[in-house]
Amino acid sequence: DAGVIQSPRHEVTEMGQEVTLRCKPISGHDYLFWYRQTMMRGLELLIYFNNNVPIDDSGMPEDRFSAKMPNASFSTLKIQPSEPRDSAVYFCASIRSLGTGYGYTFGSGTRLTVV
Amino acid sequence: GNSVTQMEGPVTLSEEAFLTINCTYTATGYPSLFWYVQYPGEGLQLLLKATKADDKGSNKGFEATYRKETTSFHLEKGSVQVSDSAVYFCALADMDTGRRALTFGSGTRLQVQP
Repeated sequence: DAGVIQSPRHEVTEMGQEVTLRCKPISGHDYLFWYRQTMMRGLELLIYFNNNVPIDDSGMPEDRFSAKMPNASFSTLKIQPSEPRDSAVYFCASIRSLGTGYGYTFGSGTRLTVV
Repeated sequence: GNSVTQMEGPVTLSEEAFLTINCTYTATGYPSLFWYVQYPGEGLQLLLKATKADDKGSNKGFEATYRKETTSFHLEKGSVQVSDSAVYFCALADMDTGRRALTFGSGTRLQVQP
């Protein structure tokens, strides 16, 4: 089991550019979550999906942010246009709702810097 | 809504000291409770969990007991090591209401000195 895989690990971009973050959940997991971590606000839930359908996107900060899950093995988080205040570490996590443990597994994160 | 409150850090201890990190929660249902650990530059790793009242989660010498009467889930370790230096997050998920997303506390940084 390779775990939750995120790419890229680091991204540096200029203000106004489009940024796309990618996530591959663990096979068989039917929930996928996107979180953002900053020093000021801690860990914030942005959006989560169940069976590829967005369930709650109330944490998405504004229309510049969008997320998709075209299939069970892939999700993207896009920021267009990016701004310096979007600089943060973005984590993806997945779980399988049935079965024991309720194990939420996190990826290693993408550190985004917008200059 | 759901919320998690953790003690402010950093917590600085000498090696082999006893550790307690306090965590209390507010939830509408009967949540599952978790402790996650984040080492520098890494993602979050599940440390331990408890899914119902009076359950004790344990892993790597760390323990936490789900106390419904005090809505608490304090993390303890009898003898910390330098390698335990990290940020610790308490979290809950309200499985009964169907909201599967984790709600996190603000994190507590632990520094263990040799």
